[in-house]
Amino acid sequence: EAAVTQSPRNKVAVTGGKVTLSCNQTNNHNNMYWYRQDTGHGLRLIHYSYGAGSTEKGDIPDGYKASRPSQENFSLILELATPSQTSVYFCASGGGWDQDTQYFGPGTRLLVL
Amino acid sequence: GDSVTQTEGLVTLTEGLPVMLNCTYQTIYSNPFLFWYVHYLNESPRLLLKSSTDNKRTEHQGFHATLHKSSSSFHLQKSSAQLSDSALYYCALSDTGNYKYVFGAGTRLKVIA
Repeated sequence: EAAVTQSPRNKVAVTGGKVTLSCNQTNNHNNMYWYRQDTGHGLRLIHYSYGAGSTEKGDIPDGYKASRPSQENFSLILELATPSQTSVYFCASGGGWDQDTQYFGPGTRLLVL
Repeated sequence: GDSVTQTEGLVTLTEGLPVMLNCTYQTIYSNPFLFWYVHYLNESPRLLLKSSTDNKRTEHQGFHATLHKSSSSFHLQKSSAQLSDSALYYCALSDTGNYKYVFGAGTRLKVIA
């Protein structure tokens, strides 16, 4: 069973502060993804990665950075958090034997005040 | 760009009635891959079923869908709704070999007794 974990699970941040969301996967998947989930918009891709050292912009990258220092870890960084970034963030991994399937983490609920 | 359109908002059904959640898509991909993911409350989104084969029915856990490229559709169906089917359902699209998804806005299914 694929295993993707995220930390923290809940986060309250202040406007203008820096927030780092972390994701770890133990599946040895090449691909990792960061999404945000908002009612009416579904899951929207922020950044993704095809392997350690690589990051790519997704559909809504503005205000976010990503870092993939290793096969297992993929971070999402909000340098200057804004209230509009209040959301639930999901990390996913994929590219294994069932290459087209993505496995999701439990989500991080972020509130920016 | 690519897009996925789903039945909007909330669908409320009485237990035992059939389920039909609509999904249509627009893409430039000649060989799209279509997915249905299910997101139960307090769990991670997970794959329900997928297909890239035109006019072939795919089934899993009592749900089924058929990709129709002629109408760009991949509707999710089930013959008889159960209370445990209450969840958020996402339709998603990718290009074969790309592994980057575009999700629809999601449809919340609520099954009542």
